[in-house]
Amino acid sequence: IAGITQAPTSQILAAGRRMTLRCTQDMRHNAMYWYRQDLGLGLRLIHYSNTAGTTGKGEVPDGYSVSRANTDDFPLTLASAVPSQTSVYFCASSDRGTTEAFFGQGTRLTVV
Amino acid sequence: GQNIDQPTEMTATEGAIVQINCTYQTSGFNGLFWYQQHAGEAPTFLSYNVLDGLEEKGRFSSFLSRSKGYSYLLLKELQMKDSASYLCAVMDSNYQLIWGAGTKLIIKP
Repeated sequence: IAGITQAPTSQILAAGRRMTLRCTQDMRHNAMYWYRQDLGLGLRLIHYSNTAGTTGKGEVPDGYSVSRANTDDFPLTLASAVPSQTSVYFCASSDRGTTEAFFGQGTRLTVV
Repeated sequence: GQNIDQPTEMTATEGAIVQINCTYQTSGFNGLFWYQQHAGEAPTFLSYNVLDGLEEKGRFSSFLSRSKGYSYLLLKELQMKDSASYLCAVMDSNYQLIWGAGTKLIIKP
């Protein structure tokens, strides 16, 4: 693994199903983030974690949950997917939260 | 509320210079970032400004005026590979990034 990796890269999901998007980084960054990116809108923060064991809500947290059991992994779970959650999801990490963020390659999720 | 404004789309000619503007209103300021995002790819870091003035990095320069809530990204000697979206983001008082919607730059031969 080099940098930050997301899985899957794309997914078509039936509405009502549960889905976990995976994110792993090997840079030992303490801060990690989940964003969604929709056409015509900026990146919107879903949840974040400033350090292992802590998480916080971003701008659009409803319908999503996260956990940060260790430094490297930051999974995002959709408990019961809805079509409005169709989007491109980016995971990112940064050192101490005050320097540049490094992004994963993104997960394109379609909820039908 | 917090707001980042940048033009939706710009067109420029290969070899020319283009300036992409960004204005912001945020609760606190801990720096301004510019990212480049090619279609279907992840954003990648271009520049960071926390003090007023111009930061130059090769063909790209970024300017900041904190008193005016204003920044610009200057791209010189444009190449076709510079066709991408350019994202402006401000780090607020909680050290969270607030993102603009991005400026799609189209380079014509």
